[in-house]
Amino acid sequence: GNSVTQMEGPVTLSEEAFLTINCTYTATGYPSLFWYVQYPGEGLQLLLKATKADDKGSNKGFEATYRKETTSFHLEKGSVQVSDSAVYFCALSTPNTGNQFYFGTGTSLTVIP
Amino acid sequence: DTGVSQNPRHKITKRGQNVTFRCDPISEHNRLYWYRQTLGQGPEFLTYFQNEAQLEKSRLLSDRFSAERPKGSFSTLEIQRTEQGDSAMYLCASSWSGAARGEQFFGPGTRLTVL
Repeated sequence: GNSVTQMEGPVTLSEEAFLTINCTYTATGYPSLFWYVQYPGEGLQLLLKATKADDKGSNKGFEATYRKETTSFHLEKGSVQVSDSAVYFCALSTPNTGNQFYFGTGTSLTVIP
Repeated sequence: DTGVSQNPRHKITKRGQNVTFRCDPISEHNRLYWYRQTLGQGPEFLTYFQNEAQLEKSRLLSDRFSAERPKGSFSTLEIQRTEQGDSAMYLCASSWSGAARGEQFFGPGTRLTVL
């Protein structure tokens, strides 16, 4: 079946530190991979996505590369800001399951000045 | 386009009561999904529609849960005889089926508290 395993938090970093949040997946078929972000009091927002192996998704300084050989989609940012404080969710979808999303448990990030 | 909207945003009810939530998707989207999110967890898929057809409902949590999308536009999720374990955030998302690997757009959610 399909599942996502995500690095547990919470994660606390100082401003300008390097961020990595690990995400690995199990999927039947060929999944698309996503990172969603949930800021305090707000709904889920798409951060970035990748739809095939070796694709790199990027947005707002965040990047993640679809690694089929290691079934991973780790999120990285070179220099975090206080405004990046949020909960980050890794997710996958496959066309053969109606593109329903399978989410990880989420990683809470707090960036301190 | 104002995005996906959900009403109410918060619902407090007593155990045993029925509740109904509404979701209005992005107007040009033909797929609509319902998820449940409990504290400290990621969203969990419940059911989805393509137009008015409910294509997957085996993941609904029990027969107390039902969903409709009568005209292929808005959708309702009903929980009958609520239990304290039903307390959670209920999320709705929409997408366009023509974007085979596209993202889903999420609403702000309805937070249910069962006393």
